[in-house]
Amino acid sequence: QKEVEQNSGPLSVPEGAIASLNCTYSDRGSQSFFWYRQYSGKSPELIMSIYSNGDKEDGRFTAQLNKASQYVSLLIRDSQPSDSATYLCAVNGNTGNQFYFGTGTSLTVIP
Amino acid sequence: DAGITQSPRYKITETGRQVTLMCHQTWSHSYMFWYRQDLGHGLRLIYYSAAADITDKGEVPDGYVVSRSKTENFPLTLESATRSQTSVYFCASSEGQNNQPQHFGDGTRLSIL
Repeated sequence: QKEVEQNSGPLSVPEGAIASLNCTYSDRGSQSFFWYRQYSGKSPELIMSIYSNGDKEDGRFTAQLNKASQYVSLLIRDSQPSDSATYLCAVNGNTGNQFYFGTGTSLTVIP
Repeated sequence: DAGITQSPRYKITETGRQVTLMCHQTWSHSYMFWYRQDLGHGLRLIYYSAAADITDKGEVPDGYVVSRSKTENFPLTLESATRSQTSVYFCASSEGQNNQPQHFGDGTRLSIL
């Protein structure tokens, strides 16, 4: 079983819709959770971090964490074509500062 | 604010050659990381370093060597390159606390012929 699992997609949504990206993780001891956006040919860019159960909002982005279900999600409201990218979920490991990354979900926002 | 820079951005070399990828950060972050990213595998950790002169293996360390004599630099060396090491390599850094995010360099696209 992989440490972090994401649906690879591709996920397509129309412009203005809500995009929902999901991630599950296997290590119950994980405490820190991150979402990165990666445009094609570019490096991962941090967009959200979340540490406590519940929702965290930042502009059009909302991260949701449920530690009991070992589930973290990212909602993108009012999706724009510029949101088209691969979204990586990252979870910290139990030791040191190691992160485990999912393989990413490819999102396409259709104008 | 230069942040974290990697060099070269692109490199083509031949099997058996030694190649070194450079990573430099200006944030004074204590932790630095090397990842490779391949289609279908996502980001896989090669090596990481908690401080100068402290390094440790990640998920896929075989065939790679790292050093960290200064906090700001973390070079990655492929001692005898193989075709399977063709990949995109990312360097990242983070502050010392376990809950801090990692910040990535622009990557090095390495092709081994």
